[in-house]
Amino acid sequence: DAKTTQPPSMDCAEGRAANLPCNHSTISGNEYVYWYRQIHSQGPQYIIHGLKNNETNEMASLIITEDRKSSTLILPHATLRDTAVYYCIVRKRDTGRRALTFGSGTRLQVQP
Amino acid sequence: EAQVTQNPRYLITVTGKKLTVTCSQNMNHEYMSWYRQDPGLGLRQIYYSMNVEVTDKGDVPEGYKVSRKEKRNFPLILESPSPNQTSLYFCASSLLGATNEKLFFGSGTQLSVL
Repeated sequence: DAKTTQPPSMDCAEGRAANLPCNHSTISGNEYVYWYRQIHSQGPQYIIHGLKNNETNEMASLIITEDRKSSTLILPHATLRDTAVYYCIVRKRDTGRRALTFGSGTRLQVQP
Repeated sequence: EAQVTQNPRYLITVTGKKLTVTCSQNMNHEYMSWYRQDPGLGLRQIYYSMNVEVTDKGDVPEGYKVSRKEKRNFPLILESPSPNQTSLYFCASSLLGATNEKLFFGSGTQLSVL
């Protein structure tokens, strides 16, 4: 699976949009971009994933560049409860063991 | 409520004393997996199961056993725990083959082996 690069930390004001970037320049055509987050020491929580097109769900939006080498997770109206470590993961849709490789992630601090 | 339930949340034990961490999911998921999380090392997969009676090793299986006798349960067994197995453990499950395949994680088990 392709490696990802994320900034180690970011701050965001409560109520504002949080834009979390991820670089995955070695991504291949059959690899998806997944985003998970982990609040303190709780279990990781799935946020969103996509292949080529931009995606939106009740939690967030995912913008993938046309060349697929980078993406941005957007939390449209960040709240204090969105303070967490956000992981960008690139993974093939396969029939194998489906292991997720969590890197260091981005620690998002939402400020009141 | 759809969830993955792990027990216990915290566990302190001594070297060599066999223990089991339970994991149960109520979503009829075929796939289940165990991860451990250590500072600086991220989450690493221990074992996974694609369905009942089908299990296989992940990245760090040494010192662990699993079983999958029922679809909903996937216990993690440490036959002879050692201090290097002190870690935060997560169980996860997923449907297989769905377009929006995604992992659901339990809330974790913090294990300390003295």
